[in-house]
Amino acid sequence: DTAVSQTPKYLVTQMGNDKSIKCEQNLGHDTMYWYKQDSKKFLKIMFSYNNKELIINETVPNRFSPKSPDKAHLNLHINSLELGDSAVYFCASSPSSGSYNEQFFGPGTRLTVL
Amino acid sequence: AQSVTQLGSHVSVSEGALVLLRCNYSSSVPPYLFWYVQYPNQGLQLLLKYTTGATLVKGINGFEAEFKKSETSFHLTKPSAHMSDAAEYFCAVSVVTGNQFYFGTGTSLTVIP
Repeated sequence: DTAVSQTPKYLVTQMGNDKSIKCEQNLGHDTMYWYKQDSKKFLKIMFSYNNKELIINETVPNRFSPKSPDKAHLNLHINSLELGDSAVYFCASSPSSGSYNEQFFGPGTRLTVL
Repeated sequence: AQSVTQLGSHVSVSEGALVLLRCNYSSSVPPYLFWYVQYPNQGLQLLLKYTTGATLVKGINGFEAEFKKSETSFHLTKPSAHMSDAAEYFCAVSVVTGNQFYFGTGTSLTVIP
């Protein structure tokens, strides 16, 4: 019955590899997000999709590419991983893109690049 | 542009003592304000939010916060701390004209038995 789920929970990989993180929400929400939380716990938004359409695309390296096959899923693909990509990545969803809406967060994916 | 400042990256309180976590925001338009809690190795969970109406907002687990426009603040309080309150707390702001949250840098709360 998990509302927002992410896979995998942990991801350890070598520099230069390509990896993907998957996110699914079963709340019927229209809007989904990807956040990066660094080692100092700072949360930064990366992308947001509303009904499969990209609406927020912050200054993120082109190596990061989101993909939303349907409004219940938002995946994050990362090419040519670098040491600085090590972080916890959170997926979130909200009923709509309205800024008054609460965002529901997934459990996070801890990415470690060696 | 919007921003959030959380004063005190680490706060320690004794069990049973008052919890006060500070949040100040910057916004040129009316804000929406949120407090989230993050327990170790978990995602963020909403504690409470202010959108419109009553400025004193009650949330889960006995927490409340008051929106003070004149002070641009949204401090989080709880009368009596429990050991289970130990976690990271994040304040966030969004605005009517926008579609994203801006998070503060977080405050780590330690509860001393």
